[in-house]
This record gives sequence, C-alpha cells and structure tokens, in this order.
Amino acid sequence: KAGVTQTPRYLIKTRGQQVTLSCSPISGHRSVSWYQQTPGQGLQFLFEYFSETQRNKGNFPGRFSGRQFSNSRSEMNVSTLELGDSALYLCASSSDGLETETQYFGPGTRLLVL
Amino acid sequence: KQEVTQIPAALSVPEGENLVLNCSFTDSAIYNLQWFRQDPGKGLTSLLLIQSSQREQTSGRLNASLDKSSGRSTLYIAASQPGDSATYLCAVRHNAGNNRKLIWGLGTSLAVNP
Repeated sequence: KAGVTQTPRYLIKTRGQQVTLSCSPISGHRSVSWYQQTPGQGLQFLFEYFSETQRNKGNFPGRFSGRQFSNSRSEMNVSTLELGDSALYLCASSSDGLETETQYFGPGTRLLVL
Repeated sequence: KQEVTQIPAALSVPEGENLVLNCSFTDSAIYNLQWFRQDPGKGLTSLLLIQSSQREQTSGRLNASLDKSSGRSTLYIAASQPGDSATYLCAVRHNAGNNRKLIWGLGTSLAVNP
C-alpha cells in the first residue's frame, strides 16, 4: 500500500500571497488531519476532515482553511501569508479517525514565507 | 489546559546503551498516549500507542510505560543503534468532550554514536 503523499514538498512564497497544499491519504482511509510544525511551538493541530466534512478544528485564524474530496484527498489553503506561517505542514490519515487508531503521516510540505 | 513536556530536549549516547526518554503531561484526563519518531524529510512514524487503561506497551527493543496519576510516560530503548537516531515525539489524546485532538511535546532529539 502506498503511504501518505504530500505535494509539493517545498514551497517559497512571499507575504500576502496564498498557497494550497495537497495530501493524498492511504487508500481506504477516510480521515485526514493537518498539523503545523515549527521549532518553537512543535506540532499544532489545524483541522481534521472525515468523509468530506470538517470534524475537528484547532485554534488557527480563518486564513487557514481546508477541504476534502470524495476520494478522501485533502487540500489545505492559507491566504494572506505571513512570515510566521513558515513551517512544516504535515498531513496524517487514518481509517476512521477513531481515537484508538494510529495516524500515518506524510513527509510534509516545507513552506517558507519571505 | 493540557501541556506536554519532553525531557531531555537532546540526548547523545554511544551505541549499545539502554536509554529512557521522558514525557510528562499536566492533565490526567487523557484518552491515550502515543510515541512517534520523526526522521528528517520523512514525516512521523508511530511507534507505540498506550490506551489510558493500559500501563505499558512493547514493540521489539522499545517499551513505553504510562502512569496517568503522575502524568508521566517513559520510552525505554534497549541496546541503542545508530539507526535509532531521530527525534522522538510524545503526544496525548486529550479527553475533553468531542474535541479529542492530539497535544504534542516538542520532542527529544536522539543521537546514537557508533
């Protein structure tokens, strides 16, 4: 089975631009979660999608949004980029998003905002 | 507010040593606790998941323990190898209503020297 894939792997943007990141979960997985990882804050939960619906949301501003398609692929969008948005964005998938399940992570997209 | 702390932040040991990584959390109302490993450019890999009703889990040379009452977990690595070099992250699934998101520590960076 192929693992979780994320595209692009690296991205450089300037302040004020917007960006869209993509995540393809493991085949058959319906839950996709997004995380932001920075050296100072560690991993912080952005949101979780299950069957095309946002099921949980972290404490991020409305500039951060996402969606999930019928094939479970997910996209994350950040509008009006700020320098502080520079981070590694990780996507994780699991079968049903249950608390007992292991999450499988992709390699991440490293975003640099100049 | 649930907070997760990992000590030490960095550790360097010679090959063959047994070692212990520590994780502490402030709120004992957790659903489960997980240990992950992060290699550069490869995302996160789940190592062990301990449910709140369990005391420990073992996988090969790894053993994780959980003491909910004291808010502590340890990851024991036996006979360390250079391939164990990575960042080890602890995450708790906070048991707070419907929003059972993962709360993460900042990690312990482990270097095993040949």
